[in-house]
Amino acid sequence: NAGVTQTPKFQVLKTGQSMTLQCAQDMNHEYMSWYRQDPGMGLRLIHYSVGAGITDQGEVPNGYNVSRSTTEDFPLRLLSAAPSQTSVYFCASSSGASPNYGYTFGSGTRLTVV
Amino acid sequence: AQSVTQPDIHITVSEGASLELRCNYSYGATPYLFWYVQSPGQGLQLLLKYFSGDTLVQGIKGFEAEFKRSQSSFNLRKPSVHWSDAAEYFCAVDRSGSARQLTFGSGTQLTVLP
Repeated sequence: NAGVTQTPKFQVLKTGQSMTLQCAQDMNHEYMSWYRQDPGMGLRLIHYSVGAGITDQGEVPNGYNVSRSTTEDFPLRLLSAAPSQTSVYFCASSSGASPNYGYTFGSGTRLTVV
Repeated sequence: AQSVTQPDIHITVSEGASLELRCNYSYGATPYLFWYVQSPGQGLQLLLKYFSGDTLVQGIKGFEAEFKRSQSSFNLRKPSVHWSDAAEYFCAVDRSGSARQLTFGSGTQLTVLP
């Protein structure tokens, strides 16, 4: 099925460990982004990309790295996990090509840092 | 600061009753406006969006929203709520108009009583 696929769905990390959250889309969307969701705060933008090789920071980028080597994939890297990064992470993509664009969200990755 | 406000953290309605969820934004120009719904453990699903034109927009699942420029509001409504509508609802704006950044409200949790 077409859409945005995130892996893993659940992850527990120890403080200081590193990991990569994977995100892939098969809709040939130019725009991809990562959000984190925390209780009572809605979703906040971490990083986004407007095409392969182009990324930029969002509202809460500290502690996260991204790269975009292909149109399909947009991984999010935690280099040294901290308890403050315990959250649910969502990847989203959009064509952004016209006023009728819409965002498609993945089903999320629930990350716990202990 | 530019923001999206959902003043109601939690709303409870009886099945069959009408529903209105409030959303206010504080941007100078008319942004692109969205309502999303999130069921427990799931990603976000787009209910409806407003870019321009008719200020009353229809969405999926019988939802509608009205854009009021004078009040900077984009309230979500449904004439008759079903038990399956119980979920969390997020209002969001894309002020860039380029699919680069969504700013979310903090969400409204809807409980439906039988």
